Amino acid sequence: AAGVIQSPRHLIKEKRETATLKCYPIPRHDTVYWYQQGPGQDPQFLISFYEKMQSDKGSIPDRFSAQQFSDYHSELNMSSLELGDSALYFCASSPRFGMAYEQYFGPGTRLTVT
Amino acid sequence: AQKVTQAQTEISVVEKEDVTLDCVYETRDTTYYLFWYKQPPSGELVFLIRRNSFDEQNEISGRYSWNFQKSTSSFNFTITASQVVDSAVYFCAYGGNNAGNMLTFGGGTRLMVKP
Repeated sequence: AAGVIQSPRHLIKEKRETATLKCYPIPRHDTVYWYQQGPGQDPQFLISFYEKMQSDKGSIPDRFSAQQFSDYHSELNMSSLELGDSALYFCASSPRFGMAYEQYFGPGTRLTVT
Repeated sequence: AQKVTQAQTEISVVEKEDVTLDCVYETRDTTYYLFWYKQPPSGELVFLIRRNSFDEQNEISGRYSWNFQKSTSSFNFTITASQVVDSAVYFCAYGGNNAGNMLTFGGGTRLMVKP
């Protein structure tokens, strides 16, 4: 079965650079979530989209922005990168909006900021 | 605000032992969902189970079983006859209808199964 695709899988950037992470949800899933997992930490919710509109916002820095496109893929844009942004970034998709539906996680993008 | 606590940060067992991972949550929601995810060393998050607050029936799936007790706000996970491949970090997570649709994760329990 098709899974959530994230690209790139690994990314190395320098401080103050920008990064764009991409997420392709499972086909026919219209809801996308982004989570950030720092080293040794639990995943923290950043932002979610339903039908191309932002639905919820968590602890996402102002330097980050995200959107969901007409084909339901989503991109997380990160500017002025800081060392503390080094983390595993997960995208998850869900067939519908709402807690009654499982969130299927992608393999993650490991971002290293040097 | 919702909170999920996994008091055990690390557990080490020998293969074939049974092990229980504890999860306690706090909420004022009347309807909510609880989840368990496995994160092996490769890093991906693997969905294991989802439970809604109205269903306190215990569930068994192979060597895995889950005990949901609303009275104690706990959703514990037991692995029977553990295997080396069970070594991973296990996260308990909460999702509530009144808290948006994000998952709130516990701190995770690192399980090490030694041969």
